Amino acid sequence: QSALTQPASVSGSPGQSITISCTGTSSDVGSYNLVSWYQQHPGKAPKLMIYEVSKRPSGVSNRFSGSKSGNTASLTISGLQAEDEADYYCCSYAGSSTPVVFGGGTKLTVL
Amino acid sequence: EVQLVESGGGLVQPGGSLRLSCAASGFTFSSYWMHWVRQAPGKGLVWVSRINSDGSSTSYADSVKGRFTISRDNAKNTLYLQMNSLRAEDTAVYYCARDLSLRWHFDYWGQGTLVTVSS
Repeated sequence: QSALTQPASVSGSPGQSITISCTGTSSDVGSYNLVSWYQQHPGKAPKLMIYEVSKRPSGVSNRFSGSKSGNTASLTISGLQAEDEADYYCCSYAGSSTPVVFGGGTKLTVL
Repeated sequence: EVQLVESGGGLVQPGGSLRLSCAASGFTFSSYWMHWVRQAPGKGLVWVSRINSDGSSTSYADSVKGRFTISRDNAKNTLYLQMNSLRAEDTAVYYCARDLSLRWHFDYWGQGTLVTVSS
């Protein structure tokens, strides 16, 4: 199972909105509403930001939102803040043989 | 407070073995699926393995199948990863993570333990 495809980097200014795409296939993203997004600051463990495509865990800012269309999922961060600068990974369930695939990660820079 | 604390990482020669542990606290460990996820230096996240709540069902990534074994001791609130026939490409930080409601999402992560495979 190939990794999901994410842009290597995105950037935005404070207060702006950015969107990170995550492209999979009909065997993973396109087949299941089990897409999640993780934020990882340097040297730290990942943190769950979005699950089941668009749900936010308790404590995660409502500036973070998720969506999906066909084989592509997206993470949108509105009102960019300096602390949003981090790596972001998408993840999808992919069926019983290789159940989980991650994207390659996207480095978000807040200018 | 949910806590996951990994241990057991270190330097091992190619072909060697290592057992990682993940001590869980702050939740009913025996009710949750658990996972191992790894991250090679400077690289992305890669799912490694999953075990169900009572240990009767496991899953593995193709890259570790037949070499790694996931297990758990619910009486000790501890998750394990036995790693055999280690290769240089297994070098990574290994994280244990809790599954969110059997949905293959990871809602809590440990701080990770570094495994280095090198001669």
